[in-house]
Amino acid sequence: RKEVEQDPGPFNVPEGATVAFNCTYSNSASQSFFWYRQDCRKEPKLLMSVYSSGNEDGRFTAQLNRASQYISLLIRDSKLSDSATYLCVVWGSNYKLTFGKGTLLTVNP
Amino acid sequence: DVKVTQSSRYLVKRTGEKVFLECVQDMDHENMFWYRQDPGLGLRLIYFSYDVKMKEKGDIPEGYSVSREKKERFSLILESASTNQTSMYLCATATPSNQPQHFGDGTRLSIL
Repeated sequence: RKEVEQDPGPFNVPEGATVAFNCTYSNSASQSFFWYRQDCRKEPKLLMSVYSSGNEDGRFTAQLNRASQYISLLIRDSKLSDSATYLCVVWGSNYKLTFGKGTLLTVNP
Repeated sequence: DVKVTQSSRYLVKRTGEKVFLECVQDMDHENMFWYRQDPGLGLRLIYFSYDVKMKEKGDIPEGYSVSREKKERFSLILESASTNQTSMYLCATATPSNQPQHFGDGTRLSIL
């Protein structure tokens, strides 16, 4: 199993749709989990952290399932501006973050 | 606002050259990182540093070295550039908690 695995997509959805991304990780000792967003030809930026209890930030909801070793990101009411690559990121130990390869989302008018 | 500045957006070098990529941050962050990003492979950690003169190997350190003489500057060195080092190179900084990581704009390096 790869350290961090994501469905690469692409996901093409209409405006207003709800879309969900999943990510699995192999190291059960992983400590922290994040979603980053990367726009085309831009640097990655932190979108949100993922907490065990689940957390929400506006239209975005992140969840963690430690038993099954996966995290998810749900985007409700998709906007054109949500089009980007979404990176699942896992922090194991020794200051190392491991990035997934990313899931490409395109929101269409 | 955190500012992470990479010395070049685009760089073209020849095989065998010694290449220096510079990264400077203005937020007094302890931790600095160098990644490369390739299509289909995602972001991969080359080296990181959590203090001046300290360095740790990431997942793909072969063919690279780093230098951290001052807290604000972290340099990536390609000792003898090869074509398989053509890539997008991203520098990032963070506090000791490692989150969030603030990235520079990236350097698109081509080795001919």
